[in-house]
Amino acid sequence: ETGVTQSPTHLIKTRGQQVTLRCSSQSGHNTVSWYQQALGQGPQFIFQYYREEENGRGNFPPRFSGLQFPNYSSELNVNALELDDSALYLCASTKLAGGYNEQFFGPGTRLTVL
Amino acid sequence: DQQVKQNSPSLSVQEGRISILNCDYTNSMFDYFLWYKKYPAEGPTFLISISSIKDKNEDGRFTVFLNKSAKHLSLHIVPSQPGDSAVYFCAASAETGNTGKLIFGQGTTLQVKP
Repeated sequence: ETGVTQSPTHLIKTRGQQVTLRCSSQSGHNTVSWYQQALGQGPQFIFQYYREEENGRGNFPPRFSGLQFPNYSSELNVNALELDDSALYLCASTKLAGGYNEQFFGPGTRLTVL
Repeated sequence: DQQVKQNSPSLSVQEGRISILNCDYTNSMFDYFLWYKKYPAEGPTFLISISSIKDKNEDGRFTVFLNKSAKHLSLHIVPSQPGDSAVYFCAASAETGNTGKLIFGQGTTLQVKP
């Protein structure tokens, strides 16, 4: 069984640029959540995608957007990058099926904005 | 506004002793709580969870206690092992059950000394 994978591992961008991060969910999972983890902080919920639709959003501006594809993989897009966007971006997949739904996290993408 | 707080950034214990990690929350609507462990360069991995209808859940060396009146939960690791050295995050869900939209604390770095 393949776990959650993310690409790229590391990325360096400059202010104002746009970036796309990718996540492949674990086999059989239909839900992907994205989190931003700044240095020394816990992960912060960005948004969740369930069956290709956004299913909840945290306190992030519209320049953070996402997609989920029919195979349940997902992308996180960030436009007009700011220095504070430098962080570890984590995705987590789960199968929402009622009751207990364990989430599995990928290793993350480290984004540095210069 | 930090709804989930881990006030101890770090904890050091001797191998074989008990490790107690603490977490406080402010939102009384939280009804599901989880603990995750994170090693460097890896995503968080699920450890143990507890529903708000319980006050204790045990899984091997790990026990989570929930005190709803105090809005406090704790993770006990007995006996602690050097391999337990990692960053521990508590997380809470504001929706019924574990939907994957989690609010994390800042994390506590546990060091278990041989």
